Amino acid sequence: GENVEQHPSTLSVQEGDSAVIKCTYSDSASNYFPWYKQELGKRPQLIIDIRSNVGEKKDQRIAVTLNKTAKHFSLHITETQPEDSAVYFCAARSSGNTPLVFGKGTRLSVIA
Amino acid sequence: GAVVSQHPSRVICKSGTSVKIECRSLDFQATTMFWYRQFPKQSLMLMATSNEGSKATYEQGVEKDKFLINHASLTLSTLTVTSAHPEDSSFYICSARDLQTSGTDTQYFGPGTRLTVL
Repeated sequence: GENVEQHPSTLSVQEGDSAVIKCTYSDSASNYFPWYKQELGKRPQLIIDIRSNVGEKKDQRIAVTLNKTAKHFSLHITETQPEDSAVYFCAARSSGNTPLVFGKGTRLSVIA
Repeated sequence: GAVVSQHPSRVICKSGTSVKIECRSLDFQATTMFWYRQFPKQSLMLMATSNEGSKATYEQGVEKDKFLINHASLTLSTLTVTSAHPEDSSFYICSARDLQTSGTDTQYFGPGTRLTVL
C-alpha cells in the first residue's frame, strides 16, 4: 500500500519568512495530493491540493509543487504569519474510492 | 465546502463500557466514510472504511469486533468502541467525500471526538 514520508517534523521560522514542507510517496498510482492544516484539538482543514496532471498550484501565499518522476511534493508558505502556526499534514491517494494516507505531520511555529 | 458533523465532541467513560460516536454528512450524501484515530502529537491513522449498506473494511491491526462500524444510511456512519479500555483513549475523526455536489473528491473531516477512558 501507499506510504507517505514527511519532513521536517518541526519547523520554526521568523514572521515574514518562507516555510517549506516536503513529502514523498511510494505508490506510483497515487494521483491526488492534498495538504491539511490542523490546529490543536480541531479538525484537519484542507488548505490546498494538487492532482497528478499538474506540476504546481498556487493560492495566495500557499503553493504546492509535484514531481511525479521523483514521487515527491512540497508545500510552500510565503510571508508567514503567526496564525500560520499549526500542524500540517500531507496526504496521498490513488484513484477510486481509496482513503487518504497521511504523512506524520510538521509542526510549524511562526515566531513574531 | 461540505459539512461533516460528529457527536459527541467529548466523552469520558469508565473502563469496560461501550461508546458510540456518530458521523453525519449534513448537506451531501456519502456512500463512503472513513474513520481515523489520532493520538497526541501524532498523525491520523486510518482505522476503517465505512461503506453504506455493506460491511466496513478494517485496516491491519484494527480489531473489527472492538470497533464496530455501521453505515446504515447515506448520511450517517457510527463507530462503537466496545468494552473500552484506557489505551483506547484517543481523538477519533471521521471523514467523507462529497462527490456529487463539489464534483471533486475532496475529503472533509468531522470535528472529532475526544474519548477518555478512565
